[in-house]
Amino acid sequence: DTEVTQTPKHLVMGMTNKKSLKCEQHMGHRAMYWYKQKAKKPPELMFVYSYEKLSINESVPSRFSPECPNSSLLNLHLHALQPEDSALYLCASSHGLGAGGSYNEQFFGPGTRLTVL
Amino acid sequence: AQKITQTQPGMFVQEKEAVTLDCTYDTSDQSYGLFWYKQPSSGEMIFLIYQGSYDEQNATEGRYSLNFQKARKSANLVISASQLGDSAMYFCAMREGKHSGGGADGLTFGKGTHLIIQP
Repeated sequence: DTEVTQTPKHLVMGMTNKKSLKCEQHMGHRAMYWYKQKAKKPPELMFVYSYEKLSINESVPSRFSPECPNSSLLNLHLHALQPEDSALYLCASSHGLGAGGSYNEQFFGPGTRLTVL
Repeated sequence: AQKITQTQPGMFVQEKEAVTLDCTYDTSDQSYGLFWYKQPSSGEMIFLIYQGSYDEQNATEGRYSLNFQKARKSANLVISASQLGDSAMYFCAMREGKHSGGGADGLTFGKGTHLIIQP
């Protein structure tokens, strides 16, 4: 299984709602990532989990709260979002052992298209 | 300064022709990795090819090859015999070892090149 799955595919939420994005992989990868991609822009790194511990937070506002319940699952909890948070949220995973080697290829999921009203 | 620079916002290429997508990068690390991803309109990021900073030979994967010129800090993607299905956004990305010590590092992406293959 070389797939990263993400649910839901689409999400519309109000600014007062609380919702969660889910990501799952069964490739035995020990690093998982959240990226945010605005329309016609490149993906931007938000969070990195290594061995189920948060290792990188790219100064993301606290209204985004990541969680890694186990090595296969990654969640992104959303609360009090703003309309400018509307974007494609991409999850990725990799073996996660430093910069060297092609085994650090990041496998991406199909993304969740989030619209905040 | 941008870490990854892709100077071609858009390209139109005739089907079956070869195409080169440009990418230059900026890093002070000795150990780093360079990636190319394809993103169709559906949104999914598809891995194409990888080049490590210590790799002496240019990477190849089927119709994709990477023209790696380390001294010039360039990592251009070459697609041979282009097909209509190659129409997509192409991103060059770099992984540096800034969070080394066994942990994982995220990717920094260029702004992308929108490639359109014409019949």
